[in-house]
Order: sequence, then C-alpha cells, then structure tokens
Amino acid sequence: GENVEQHPSTLSVQEGDSAVIKCTYSDSASNYFPWYKQELGKRPQLIIDIRSNVGEKKDQRIAVTLNKTAKHFSLHITETQPEDSAVYFCAALGAGSYQLTFGKGTKLSVIP
Amino acid sequence: EAGVVQSPRYKIIEKKQPVAFWCNPISGHNTLYWYLQNLGQGPELLIRYENEEAVDDSQLPKDRFSAERLKGVDSTLKIQPAELGDSAVYLCASSPGRGSHEQYFGPGTRLTVT
Repeated sequence: GENVEQHPSTLSVQEGDSAVIKCTYSDSASNYFPWYKQELGKRPQLIIDIRSNVGEKKDQRIAVTLNKTAKHFSLHITETQPEDSAVYFCAALGAGSYQLTFGKGTKLSVIP
Repeated sequence: EAGVVQSPRYKIIEKKQPVAFWCNPISGHNTLYWYLQNLGQGPELLIRYENEEAVDDSQLPKDRFSAERLKGVDSTLKIQPAELGDSAVYLCASSPGRGSHEQYFGPGTRLTVT
C-alpha cells in the first residue's frame, strides 16, 4: 500500500517568514495530494490540493508543488501569521482507490 | 452549506461497554468515510461507503467494529465491546464522489475508554 513520509515533525518560524513542509510518497500511481490544517481539538480542514497532472498550485499565501519523478510534494506558506499555527497533514490518494494515506503531521508554530 | 455533523463530540465509557457514533455527511455527498485518529498521528481509514454500500472495509476490525449506512445518507459506527486501546478520535468525512476527490471532515468524536 501507499506510504507517506512527512518532514519536519515540528517547525517554528518568526511571523512574516516562510514555512515549508515536505512529503514523500511510495506509490507512483498516486494521483491526488491534499493538505489539511488541524487546529487543536478541531476538524482537519482542507486548505489546498494538487492533482498529478499539475506541477504547482497557489492560493493566496499558500502553494503546493509536486515532483512526480521524485515522488514528493511540498506545502509553502509565505508571510506566516500567528493564526497559521496548527498541525498540517499531507496525504496521497492511490490511483483506482479513494483511500487517502496521511503523513504523521507537522506542528507549525508561528512566533509573533 | 452545512458541514459534516457528528455526535456525540465526547464519550467516556468503561471497557467492555458498547458505544456508537453518528455521522451526517454534507448534503449530496455520496461517499462517506470513517477514520480513526490517534494522538499525534494522521487519520487512518476504517471504512468507506459509496451510497449505502461498504466498498472498502479492509481496515475495520470486524471482530468488534461495525458500521452501517442504511439509506445512503447518515451513518453509524459501533464498537462492541470497547477496549482501552480504542481511545482515540473517530472522524467522519464525506466526498461528492463521481470523480471528485475532496474529502471534508466532521469535528470528530473523542472516545475515552477507562
């Protein structure tokens, strides 16, 4: 089955700086890669996603890049704000299935 | 648009007792998922429904866990009997299906087994 590795497990940045979280996946047939933000005690919230036929996608301060050859994808957050502090999960969807495999999460802390 | 609704939000039970969780997906979403999330981990799929059919239950511990989605809308997940190791957050998610992969999560039920 699919295996998703996520790094780093914790990340602290100064407010206004950029944050980058990286994930690798094992199944070269995976074709959909969402990112979720989960605040303490809250539901995972879909913040951005990318499909395998696209290399990069942006939405205001967040962007996701995908390198299919290397089987890795990254989340980029620019101009970080304290409200960006949360746990971020990457996930990969296997081709032919609707099963999302999640990474273990990255706890992002934005220091004012 | 209302999001995925789950109840109860919290449940504390003694081991060996039964427990049930309820989920109402986003209106019109054909696909429903139950996930388990342990502390500090990502969600792990337990079961996926397409309408009323369970199409992927390979990771559901069937000796004690069961689920149903009788009319293809809301769903119930049951554990009987509960064990200490079942303490976790149980998340429900839904997706429009029909080629749309986006999954939207409910707030979850935090289960504590004592």
